[in-house]
Amino acid sequence: AQSVAQPEDQVNVAEGNPLTVKCTYSVSGNPYLFWYVQYPNRGLQFLLKYITGDNLVKGSYGFEAEFNKSQTSFHLKKPSALVSDSALYFCAVRLHTGGFKTIFGAGTRLFVKA
Amino acid sequence: DTAVSQTPKYLVTQMGNDKSIKCEQNLGHDTMYWYKQDSKKFLKIMFSYNNKELIINETVPNRFSPKSPDKAHLNLHINSLELGDSAVYFCASSQARTSATDTQYFGPGTRLTVL
Repeated sequence: AQSVAQPEDQVNVAEGNPLTVKCTYSVSGNPYLFWYVQYPNRGLQFLLKYITGDNLVKGSYGFEAEFNKSQTSFHLKKPSALVSDSALYFCAVRLHTGGFKTIFGAGTRLFVKA
Repeated sequence: DTAVSQTPKYLVTQMGNDKSIKCEQNLGHDTMYWYKQDSKKFLKIMFSYNNKELIINETVPNRFSPKSPDKAHLNLHINSLELGDSAVYFCASSQARTSATDTQYFGPGTRLTVL
């Protein structure tokens, strides 16, 4: 079965420290991977995506993600967290078939403490 | 300018009622979606339309009926509302269904509460 896993319900980090939000996937074929962020009472916003090429993808608000094919992971990272980064983060994989359906992970809540 | 808009933002109704949620996108996209986000924030696709044609129909009760009058609009009608329908419903759009690399743009959500 094709799936996306975010093993941590919540990540806590102090402002100024690096942050990592983990994501692993299981899909057939080459994966198309996405990260979205959801602020309270808002819709999801696109952060970045991996399609092909360089394994390190840079996105909005200073976030980046590293695609690791051998570990089937696509972890989201930021060198220095801000309090304003506190939000719910979703990893997603877009399938190649079935209407290009997107499967979302369960989400990871990030708390950045001042 | 709001790219993907939904109305209403909040919807409180009694069990058994019929209600509709409207969605409009002004991005010129061909594909639109409805997602349901439950109380645990889990997000699941319900429907997808490409240029008014239904292309994804997940295992959703037939009380839910999407309608796309044109490619800029995708409305969701729900009959005989049940308590378990309480959730936040998100509309989204993307440029073309033929590209798996397309980014989706989400509306602000409609919080449906069934009493």
